[in-house]
Amino acid sequence: ETGVTQSPTHLIKTRGQQVTLRCSSQSGHNTVSWYQQALGQGPQFIFQYYREEENGRGNFPPRFSGLQFPNYSSELNVNALELDDSALYLCASSAVQENEKLFFGSGTQLSVL
Amino acid sequence: GQSLEQPSEVTAVEGAIVQINCTYQTSGFYGLSWYQQHDGGAPTFLSYNALDGLEETGRFSSFLSRSDSYGYLLLQELQMKDSASYFCAVRADSWGKLQFGAGTQVVVTP
Repeated sequence: ETGVTQSPTHLIKTRGQQVTLRCSSQSGHNTVSWYQQALGQGPQFIFQYYREEENGRGNFPPRFSGLQFPNYSSELNVNALELDDSALYLCASSAVQENEKLFFGSGTQLSVL
Repeated sequence: GQSLEQPSEVTAVEGAIVQINCTYQTSGFYGLSWYQQHDGGAPTFLSYNALDGLEETGRFSSFLSRSDSYGYLLLQELQMKDSASYFCAVRADSWGKLQFGAGTQVVVTP
């Protein structure tokens, strides 16, 4: 089994810029979700994709958007970056028949200056 | 409102037993999960309870009482490598959306 991989591992941006984060799901997994984890906090659900369609969204503004590709890799895009967007962004994949068990990547640490 | 409550930190010595409690109040509930996260690492799945009762996986056990909106993770025979943050998370819908608590930092001392 290949694990969940995310790129880049670290990123520094300035306010107002746009960023794209990438994720490769674990082999055989067709569901991907994205979480934001602020320092000292638990991950917060951003959204989830299944078969390239968004099928759930958390309390995040529309400037957070995503894509899932036919090979089940995924992107998280954030427009008009704000200082509060500084966080660890985690991607997690799961198999639809066992979606209570998420496999997380190590995340992308985003710093917005 | 929706919330998950768990202690912020627990300290124990090697070989001891630690219990991390989690109470929850959420709009949807399909089950309670536990994840472990070492500093700088990815959260790792430990256990999942959909029904009331105790689930045992090696040194770790997890318990759920749906009527009390309460669960706990039991860590036995603590080892230094168990020093990490532990998160309870409610599976909020059938698709697997998770709502996480703020985490419990477990510190294991020699």
